[in-house]
Amino acid sequence: DIQMTQSPASLSASLEEIVTITCQASQDIGNWLAWYQQKPGKSPQLLIYGATSLADGVPSRFSGSRSGTQYSLKISRLQVEDPGIYYCLQGYSAPWTFGGGTKLELK
Amino acid sequence: EVQLVESGGGLVQPGRSLKLSCAASGFTFSNYYMAWVRQAPKKGLEWVATISTSGSRTYYPDSVKGRFTISRDNAKSSLYLQMNSLKSEDTATYYCARVMAYYFDYWGQGVMVTVSS
Repeated sequence: DIQMTQSPASLSASLEEIVTITCQASQDIGNWLAWYQQKPGKSPQLLIYGATSLADGVPSRFSGSRSGTQYSLKISRLQVEDPGIYYCLQGYSAPWTFGGGTKLELK
Repeated sequence: EVQLVESGGGLVQPGRSLKLSCAASGFTFSNYYMAWVRQAPKKGLEWVATISTSGSRTYYPDSVKGRFTISRDNAKSSLYLQMNSLKSEDTATYYCARVMAYYFDYWGQGVMVTVSS
């Protein structure tokens, strides 16, 4: 199985700050990666697919990048509505696996 | 507007069975693979099952293979998850999700399943 190691597990950041979350894949998964945001009591919402493509309706302050088998989600200027738990997902091969999640809070 | 509405959750004893349903609307259901994803309380996300457009192909992780069965009724735009031989570790919120190639683009609101005596 492909392991997705997500870091950090939690972080606290201030409004307008730049935030970066990473996922390290245990093997090559190409661009078969997506990012999700989950708020308390809600279902996950798609942010990024194809490692770098922004999903419909997602603010442009969110962006995704890839360097080898390391994938990053960047929030360019943290807003009050951005706290939640963020997950990466690899869909390269079954079983599809998620990262462990990053809990983002406002400082 | 894409809508996925799960139902059928509840409290069930270990070793018993439960069947979840997901009613889809707002898109041509028969054109999409569909999936179930679960989330144990205060834990992360785990993919549970995927089914092809016709239902002829199904995929499961080892954790549920042989116990869970995903199925669909395209005429009713409905997705199902039959869960047998339930264990305490199956306790989770179960989400129905639409598959877009290699990721899930729309999710339902989730349904809670609690396995306990």
